[in-house]
Amino acid sequence: RKEVEQDPGPFNVPEGATVAFNCTYSNSASQSFFWYRQDCRKEPKLLMSVYSSGNEDGRFTAQLNRASQYISLLIRDSKLSDSATYLCVVNRRANNNDMRFGAGTRLTVKP
Amino acid sequence: NAGVTQTPKFRILKIGQSMTLQCTQDMNHNYMYWYRQDPGMGLKLIYYSVGAGITDKGEVPNGYNVSRSTTEDFPLRLELAAPSQTSVYFCASSYSEYEKLFFGSGTQLSVL
Repeated sequence: RKEVEQDPGPFNVPEGATVAFNCTYSNSASQSFFWYRQDCRKEPKLLMSVYSSGNEDGRFTAQLNRASQYISLLIRDSKLSDSATYLCVVNRRANNNDMRFGAGTRLTVKP
Repeated sequence: NAGVTQTPKFRILKIGQSMTLQCTQDMNHNYMYWYRQDPGMGLKLIYYSVGAGITDKGEVPNGYNVSRSTTEDFPLRLELAAPSQTSVYFCASSYSEYEKLFFGSGTQLSVL
């Protein structure tokens, strides 16, 4: 079993749709959580950190459920530019030296 | 700022050849990392460094070596390349061990 699991998709949605991605992790001692975005053949870039109380950044909302060991990303009012692969990242320690990346969920937003 | 710069962008190696992937950053970050990304898999940490002269193994270090003689540079050395090392390699850096990662644009390596 992978330590960080994501639905690979692809998710194909029309512009303006709301889409949600889930990610589960196996190490209950994991300390910090992130969503990274990766465009095709490009490097990953931090989209947002995920805090215990949940957090929002514009059209993006991230939630953490420690009891069930999953994190989620909600994208509202999808734009064409949101098309990318979204990587769930779980840090087993407080520092960056033990981060575990999910394989990613691919999103395509269509006109 | 150039950020994190990796060279080369593409490379084809024959089995048994050696090469060095270059990585340099101009953000004065102490922390630097090398990851590999295989299709359908998450990025895996090969080696990392917390400062000049200090390196440590990550999740998948076998077949690789690193050095960190300066804050800016963190080259990754492949000795005796094998087909299993065909992958996309990303170098990354961060200001501290808790801050977000800045990635280079990647190196597509094929070993045939």
